[in-house]
Amino acid sequence: NAGVTQTPKFQVLKTGQSMTLQCAQDMNHEYMSWYRQDPGMGLRLIHYSVGAGITDQGEVPNGYNVSRSTTEDFPLRLLSAAPSQTSVYFCASSQERLAGVTDTQYFGPGTRLTVL
Amino acid sequence: GDSVTQMEGPVTLSEEAFLTINCTYTATGYPSLFWYVQYPGEGLQLLLKATKADDKGSNKGFEATYRKETTSFHLEKGSVQVSDSAVYFCALSTRSGGSNYKLTFGKGTLLTVNP
Repeated sequence: NAGVTQTPKFQVLKTGQSMTLQCAQDMNHEYMSWYRQDPGMGLRLIHYSVGAGITDQGEVPNGYNVSRSTTEDFPLRLLSAAPSQTSVYFCASSQERLAGVTDTQYFGPGTRLTVL
Repeated sequence: GDSVTQMEGPVTLSEEAFLTINCTYTATGYPSLFWYVQYPGEGLQLLLKATKADDKGSNKGFEATYRKETTSFHLEKGSVQVSDSAVYFCALSTRSGGSNYKLTFGKGTLLTVNP
């Protein structure tokens, strides 16, 4: 198993550009989520999905879109990049959404994004 | 809303020293509690977890006990190694409605262990 994979590892954008951060998992997990990590802020939830075709907003969703057309993939789209979106982005997945509160999340290696 | 407060870092220790990283939480209902660790340049990985009051999670010499009466989940290790240098995150998981749940993280504590 590759686990949770993310591409690219690093990306530099100019203000106003758009891009998609890719996330894939091969563990057949139903639950997937995107976080951003900023210094002194911990991890904050951007969007999550409890299964193919179902997505919902997290704590900081503005400026980001997601879709979940398959169980394996959960891309994060930046519509018009802003310097405030400079951050490290982590994708995560977990097995169960019903048992949820006891479940472990598996994290990808992260994408470091800089917006100039 | 749910929140996690962990001790501010950075924490710098010598090898074989005793480690405590404090974590307290606020949550409705009965959360599960976690410690995640992030090594330099990597994503987070689960270190240990506890799902109900008085449970003790343990892994790699680290321990934490779910204390409902003090709403705490402090991380401890009796003898740290240089390889334990990392950022440690306390987190809780609660239901966010229906069958969904969410994970709330603390801000992280950077631990540096010197030889």
